[in-house]
Amino acid sequence: DGGITQSPKYLFRKEGQNVTLSCEQNLNHDAMYWYRQDPGQGLRLIYYSQIVNDFQKGDIAEGYSVSREKKESFPLTVTSAQKNPTAFYLCATARDSLYEQYFGPGTRLTVT
Amino acid sequence: EDKVVQSPLSLVVHEGDTVTLNCSYEVTNFRSLLWYKQEKKAPTFLFMLTSSGIEKKSGRLSSILDKKELFSILNITATQTGDSAIYLCAGDSNTGNQFYFGTGTSLTVIP
Repeated sequence: DGGITQSPKYLFRKEGQNVTLSCEQNLNHDAMYWYRQDPGQGLRLIYYSQIVNDFQKGDIAEGYSVSREKKESFPLTVTSAQKNPTAFYLCATARDSLYEQYFGPGTRLTVT
Repeated sequence: EDKVVQSPLSLVVHEGDTVTLNCSYEVTNFRSLLWYKQEKKAPTFLFMLTSSGIEKKSGRLSSILDKKELFSILNITATQTGDSAIYLCAGDSNTGNQFYFGTGTSLTVIP
């Protein structure tokens, strides 16, 4: 069963805590992306990775960190430095940066 | 500043109507324009357009790109309630490997 999985679907955290969102893919795609979606706004790019052990900041990387130790996995950590972390987070993959992106089911993070 | 603007922001139509969704873009070193359909959760890919004037078609959906005027349209004919969704447009740049998404058009099709 090929695809992109994100877990958990819903996540609740207290303010001041770091939290890590999982994104796993078995599509053998090189490129992986993290987006944040807020009501009334388009998807905004947080981080992206074109290849293992390499990643680049997107438009809103402050307060987030990522790693890409394996091709299949691109976890996103929302740190306590992120001022407004409550949002819907989407992970996407692409064969490489020349190809269309496919999205995981998303994780809705609520920080109180 | 790179940006993608979609219009209208929302649209309500009756089943059977034809709709046209608009997407204009300003993307440095533009490479391609993508359309996605987002229902409750994650967006699903519809079209990728790289060449001007060549229509892409999938069932009742079609899309075309105008690289001179920097816009794309997504047409849906004979709309059905299952077409109700947010339609996202994204511009792709070949520098920075970044996709720029519009805010989306929310389409509601009523029976």
